[in-house]
Amino acid sequence: QSALTQPASVSGSPGQSITISCTGTSSDVGGHNFVSWYQQHPGKAPKLMIFDVSNRPSGVSNRFSGSKSGNTASLTISGLQAEDEADYYCISYTSSNSLVIFGGGTKLTVL
Amino acid sequence: EVQLVQSGAEVKKPGESLKISCKGSGYSFDTNWIAWVRQMPGKGLEWMGIIYPEDSDTRYSPSFQGQVTISADKSINTAYLQWSSLKASDTGMYYCARQYDSGRGPDYWGQGTLVTVSS
Repeated sequence: QSALTQPASVSGSPGQSITISCTGTSSDVGGHNFVSWYQQHPGKAPKLMIFDVSNRPSGVSNRFSGSKSGNTASLTISGLQAEDEADYYCISYTSSNSLVIFGGGTKLTVL
Repeated sequence: EVQLVQSGAEVKKPGESLKISCKGSGYSFDTNWIAWVRQMPGKGLEWMGIIYPEDSDTRYSPSFQGQVTISADKSINTAYLQWSSLKASDTGMYYCARQYDSGRGPDYWGQGTLVTVSS
């Protein structure tokens, strides 16, 4: 059972938009709408940013949005801010064992 | 307010046993799954397994099956992660998290418990 594939790093300047991808297979990302995204600052616990592909929990900025096409889910952050610099992880349900699996994580650098 | 409070940092020697805890409050502990997630130093998140405290239904990631034991005591709203014989490679941060559905990712997270295994 391999982790979902995310780019190791992405970067952007303040005010710009960036997109982080999360690629799996038809057994996980492509086959179900149970993809979530987490933000993790250094030394802190992860924080849920998006659930069920495109839903934002209460209190999460609307600069964060999620989508999915085929076997790839995406997290888009618009109007980048310095505080967005963090690691981001996707997670998806997988029908291979009816459990969940994380992506490898992406480090976002705000230039 | 949903809260998950984990036990404190541990320093152990290889071969020793360990049980860390996670106490939930502010929600129905019995009827929400509790997940355990490992983060080795400088590495990503790894989902280890879940437990449903109401009936102790427990499911493990294939990578962690047989390596750890997840349990819960619903009478005190607490879940546990234990090792019978620690290895240096078990060093890392361990998070518990509420997972309201076994097929969805966690929503609320504990603060983490740092486990260091060194001779």
